[in-house]
Amino acid sequence: NAGVTQTPKFRVLKTGQSMTLLCAQDMNHEYMYWYRQDPGMGLRLIHYSVGEGTTAKGEVPDGYNVSRLKKQNFLLGLESAAPSQTSVYFCASSSGGNEQFFGPGTRLTVL
Amino acid sequence: TQLLEQSPQFLSIQEGENLTVYCNSSSVFSSLQWYRQEPGEGPVLLVTVVTGGEVKKLKRLTFQFGDARKDSSLHITAAQPGDTGLYLCAGPLYNNNDMRFGAGTRLTVKP
Repeated sequence: NAGVTQTPKFRVLKTGQSMTLLCAQDMNHEYMYWYRQDPGMGLRLIHYSVGEGTTAKGEVPDGYNVSRLKKQNFLLGLESAAPSQTSVYFCASSSGGNEQFFGPGTRLTVL
Repeated sequence: TQLLEQSPQFLSIQEGENLTVYCNSSSVFSSLQWYRQEPGEGPVLLVTVVTGGEVKKLKRLTFQFGDARKDSSLHITAAQPGDTGLYLCAGPLYNNNDMRFGAGTRLTVKP
């Protein structure tokens, strides 16, 4: 099992460009999450999903959209990237208990 | 301000030393989790503490949840270079899907 995978691993965007980050999990987990990690800030929850076709806002949702069309995939979209969105993005999944399993992260730079 | 404050922010020690890192909040949590994150990877769950006053041991790591469920500590005995990493505490704000993380303690253990 691959666990949680994220693509791409690295990306550089110009201000105003759009992109989609893909998260995939093969553990049949119902719950999936997108976080961003910035120096001195820890991980902050952007959006999450409690099942296929459902999404909810987290702590810092502005400027991001998500979709969960398939149970195993959770997409994070940036419609118009801003330098403040430069960060490392982590996806995680959970069966609904306490433990979240994290992917390896995507390092995004917005110039 | 962080909901969960971790201290110290950085810690550099020699192999064999003991250390304690702290996670404090003014809020009561139903549970707290500790994760370890290595460079270029996502966090990995070490332990979940759920009962006030609870102590859990994981080999050389001892985790304690405060009696009032507002704080937690992680004690490492005889630290080894393999313990090097970023230690994060996290707790559910409203439910297990809305996890809030501290900024972490970056530990370096020198051989």
